[in-house]
Amino acid sequence: ELKVEQNPLFLSMQEGKNYTIYCNYSTTSDRLYWYRQDPGKSLESLFVLLSNGAVKQEGRLMASLDTKARLSTLHITAAVHDLSATYFCAVDIRRNSGYALNFGKGTSLLVTP
Amino acid sequence: KAGVTQTPRYLIKTRGQQVTLSCSPISGHRSVSWYQQTPGQGLQFLFEYFSETQRNKGNFPGRFSGRQFSNSRSEMNVSTLELGDSALYLCASSPPRLAGYQETQYFGPGTRLLVL
Repeated sequence: ELKVEQNPLFLSMQEGKNYTIYCNYSTTSDRLYWYRQDPGKSLESLFVLLSNGAVKQEGRLMASLDTKARLSTLHITAAVHDLSATYFCAVDIRRNSGYALNFGKGTSLLVTP
Repeated sequence: KAGVTQTPRYLIKTRGQQVTLSCSPISGHRSVSWYQQTPGQGLQFLFEYFSETQRNKGNFPGRFSGRQFSNSRSEMNVSTLELGDSALYLCASSPPRLAGYQETQYFGPGTRLLVL
């Protein structure tokens, strides 16, 4: 059974600081996704990582993928309050060429002044 | 381009009843997936439909079922509702997966179901 583990599950950080969220998964997958969810809202796609060594950046967020270690990271640079949200990583089990995302438990991020 | 739409947005039912939720994907997307989100279990994959066929299925009991129509719209049905079925049900649509391309799933706003 595929397991997707994120840590930390809760993160409170000051504005301007840097931090990294980790996502470990237990089996081979060809895709890893990062999503953001604001309270009471749906999921917003942040990154899709396809291959070993892939690195994507958008604003203050940077995601990377190491398929050999089965590890993805989401790095936050100089955090601002607007980044407060829950961040999920998800691994795609390749079944019949379709989608079946297995999500981590999510990391609730609170950025404080 | 309009996003994924789900109806209804909120629903209250009692134990033993059944419920049908609806999802309209982004125009041109033929894959529709359903997920259940609860505080305890997190986000769990229910099933995926493509061209009116169920292509993938998660580990949920047979009370949970779905279907997809020729226009790609999808419905999911939960029969004999239990208290534990209270959740946010999210629908996601996707363009065709092509090797090396970065397609993703686009989520709708969800239907919040409360079972009393």
